[in-house]
Amino acid sequence: DGGITQSPKYLFRKEGQNVTLSCEQNLNHDAMYWYRQDPGQGLRLIYYSQIVNDFQKGDIAEGYSVSREKKESFPLTVTSAQKNPTAFYLCASSPGGGFTEAFFGQGTRLTVV
Amino acid sequence: AQKITQTQPGMFVQEKEAVTLDCTYDTSDPSYGLFWYKQPSSGEMIFLIYQGSYDQQNATEGRYSLNFQKARKSANLVISASQLGDSAMYFCAMRELIKAAGNKLTFGGGTRVLVKP
Repeated sequence: DGGITQSPKYLFRKEGQNVTLSCEQNLNHDAMYWYRQDPGQGLRLIYYSQIVNDFQKGDIAEGYSVSREKKESFPLTVTSAQKNPTAFYLCASSPGGGFTEAFFGQGTRLTVV
Repeated sequence: AQKITQTQPGMFVQEKEAVTLDCTYDTSDPSYGLFWYKQPSSGEMIFLIYQGSYDQQNATEGRYSLNFQKARKSANLVISASQLGDSAMYFCAMRELIKAAGNKLTFGGGTRVLVKP
């Protein structure tokens, strides 16, 4: 089945460590997105990519990094520079251009211990 | 400035009644799309309905309809005949097509709906 797979579902990080969240899609979508969601809050855009080897900062990019070496993959690294990384992270994808909806993964819940 | 504003943090609605969730947006782009998503407690994001800025008619999808008032820049979601399974967070989102926006998809802060039996 086509869809977006995020892994792991739960992730624990020690302070000062970098961690990488995986996002893979087999929908052949050009655009991919990473969002952060804090409890009871909306989704805030971290990074997005419209095409392979290109990505743009969203509203809260500080302390995060991404790569887009393959169309189907858009991993997010939460670096030690991110001071409050505990949150729910959602990855999404959509066809490039036009106004079709974005499809979301199941999310990764990151906790700093 | 907020691109998408949802002013209702939470709402109660009686089962079988209709509920309207407010959404206002801010854009100078004449070409944009508006979306509503549902997020149950499981965390998944479920697409509900879409409205394009050039669409003449309000969008409808089953029990969901979108009250689009372009001049007021509002795109309210109406859920008719509420069911217990409608209890969730609801998010309004916008995608602008201007080059600078780069297909960016922006969300509002959400409205939590609790349906009472």
